[in-house]
Amino acid sequence: SQQGEEDPQALSIQEGENATMNCSYKTSINNLQWYRQNSGRGLVHLILIRSNEREKHSGRLRVTLDTSKKSSSLLITASRAADTASYFCALNYGGATNKLIFGTGTLLAVQP
Amino acid sequence: GAVVSQHPSRVICKSGTSVKIECRSLDFQATTMFWYRQFPKQSLMLMATSNEGSKATYEQGVEKDKFLINHASLTLSTLTVTSAHPEDSSFYICSARDHLAAGETQYFGPGTRLLVL
Repeated sequence: SQQGEEDPQALSIQEGENATMNCSYKTSINNLQWYRQNSGRGLVHLILIRSNEREKHSGRLRVTLDTSKKSSSLLITASRAADTASYFCALNYGGATNKLIFGTGTLLAVQP
Repeated sequence: GAVVSQHPSRVICKSGTSVKIECRSLDFQATTMFWYRQFPKQSLMLMATSNEGSKATYEQGVEKDKFLINHASLTLSTLTVTSAHPEDSSFYICSARDHLAAGETQYFGPGTRLLVL
């Protein structure tokens, strides 16, 4: 399967704590993207990391990519209640269409 | 920033009827659009890639005669769920690539929630 596997499936933390979620995949990728989805809503693009990059930052977000292990992690520091959402990794295998295959998702609940 | 709209945002229909969902890129041209389906508490599953001026490419297991896709212009793709049944009830999301950009980023619409009674 080309779908990424995410863990944990669900994560509950207190405000101010850090949240880490992981995405593993099986086939070499062109890039990997992380998205957030609030309940029943559309997707928000968070960050894109290319296969030749190892780490990227955006505000309180830090993404790492280890192509040798075929895995990526998303770290949210100093979490807030507003970070409560589902988080998905999406795998881009390149090619003519650059289609995205979404991972299984992590449901994050940040308790105030 | 690039904006993608979907219409309608929510639709309820009777079993056996057909439903058309529109996906529009508002401020850019998209030669390629994508259609996803998401069941409750699950991930997005890619259904098909919509190509302007040509036939859509469907993912394995997706019935092309049931989910008709038309991409007649650079800013509009439509998905028609034909003879809808309750099991087709889902959240349908489209995305679009800006054909003038590098092509790595997809812009997602807000989704259409379909309920088939």
